[in-house]
Amino acid sequence: QVQLLQSGAEVKKPGASVKVSCKASGYTFTTYGINWVRQAPGQGLEWVGWISPYNGNKNYGQKFKGRVTMTIDTSTSTAYMELRSLGSDDTAVYYCAREGYVDYDSFYYYFMDVWGKGTTVTVSS
Amino acid sequence: QSIVTQPPSASGTPGQKVTISCSGSDSNIGGHTVNWYQQLPGTAPKLLIFKNNQRPSGVPDRFSGSKSGTSASLAISGLQSEDEADYYCASWDATLNGQWVFGGGTKLTVL
Repeated sequence: QVQLLQSGAEVKKPGASVKVSCKASGYTFTTYGINWVRQAPGQGLEWVGWISPYNGNKNYGQKFKGRVTMTIDTSTSTAYMELRSLGSDDTAVYYCAREGYVDYDSFYYYFMDVWGKGTTVTVSS
Repeated sequence: QSIVTQPPSASGTPGQKVTISCSGSDSNIGGHTVNWYQQLPGTAPKLLIFKNNQRPSGVPDRFSGSKSGTSASLAISGLQSEDEADYYCASWDATLNGQWVFGGGTKLTVL
């Protein structure tokens, strides 16, 4: 079945970096984009950015530009998200989500149809 | 603070119909479709509605979505205890090189 398997929980000190992985299975990896979404404790969902496994195109959320890097390894069907200069407000669960789509009259509509279980990143001194 | 707004909470009794609203602007909901996600406690979000009113396979027809202008809504009829969850609307926003924006979420309580 289609699934996204994320790496395990991380604990980092302020100023450090974290790299989270998301391994896809059950579908053709290069056919669908990968979004990253985070959720701080007790808070709502926040989009971090998107990457295309097909051509490596990226689109980062304005808030994260300059601090985030998303990469792809097509040989292992794995997406990565690295976040640098961590602060306590980066403590959150980070989700990867496949960007599904439908084609109606040659117009594409996008949504996040498959989600990983999340990776908890804790930033604490 | 989200640029797409939802009421923080909603409630209903089993069997009732509940509606959750989602309000945005021309740059997001007004110009793009809306998706809805359900997040049960302690789990990852799940796609509930896409393209304003389409249900993925496996989602009961008790869930329905609609959109008008810069607002959207999610209706849940025949409320069940297992519907108690957080619900998020999401839309593409054309500002700042484009980005997905989520509403702040609505916590639904089944009384």
